[in-house]
Amino acid sequence: DTAVSQTPKYLVTQMGNDKSIKCEQNLGHDTMYWYKQDSKKFLKIMFSYNNKELIINETVPNRFSPKSPDKAHLNLHINSLELGDSAVYFCASSQEDFRGGYTFGSGTRLTVV
Amino acid sequence: GENVEQHPSTLSVQEGDSAVIKCTYSDSASNYFPWYKQELGKRPQLIIDIRSNVGEKKDQRIAVTLNKTAKHFSLHITETQPEDSAVYFCAASLVSGGYNKLIFGAGTRLAVHP
Repeated sequence: DTAVSQTPKYLVTQMGNDKSIKCEQNLGHDTMYWYKQDSKKFLKIMFSYNNKELIINETVPNRFSPKSPDKAHLNLHINSLELGDSAVYFCASSQEDFRGGYTFGSGTRLTVV
Repeated sequence: GENVEQHPSTLSVQEGDSAVIKCTYSDSASNYFPWYKQELGKRPQLIIDIRSNVGEKKDQRIAVTLNKTAKHFSLHITETQPEDSAVYFCAASLVSGGYNKLIFGAGTRLAVHP
């Protein structure tokens, strides 16, 4: 029983393409996040949703559009992919008060060529 | 501003030695401080956390200390083993628009040599 599952695990695509990453959690958490981990391992928050509502939207190009159809799912769509978008994208979920901390998904390694 | 500084960026120890990683945060309203371990190619996993009403917490070979006045918190690993080798991240909670998020430090790559 994977608590936070992300698909796909690997994504290789050409510049200019549009791609989506999906995330699902079965922990009953109210809050879900997208983080980007660059080649230097730095983890930077991109978006956060609480019960399907966007609550945090960091300075991210508007080519990135999150969507949360329900509180257990948070997807990330990326338009017009650029070389600099290459990174590992982690989905995470948590209780609102961080009880138990974040639970991260297994990550999606995106490579734009 | 939103900032968590973490030092050192790399740490190399001999098996059995202790390892200490230090973090500082900037927002005095931060009240939750987790530590994550990320092995190569894997997801970050929570190893220990501390809230601002506690000064120290221990779980077997790992401990975390918090100094709210100085806005410092540290991870201590005793009797290190090769399987402790990983990247460790500290984080601090930050309130943004009434909601919490975690701001991560830049990570410490720990290598434990047999």
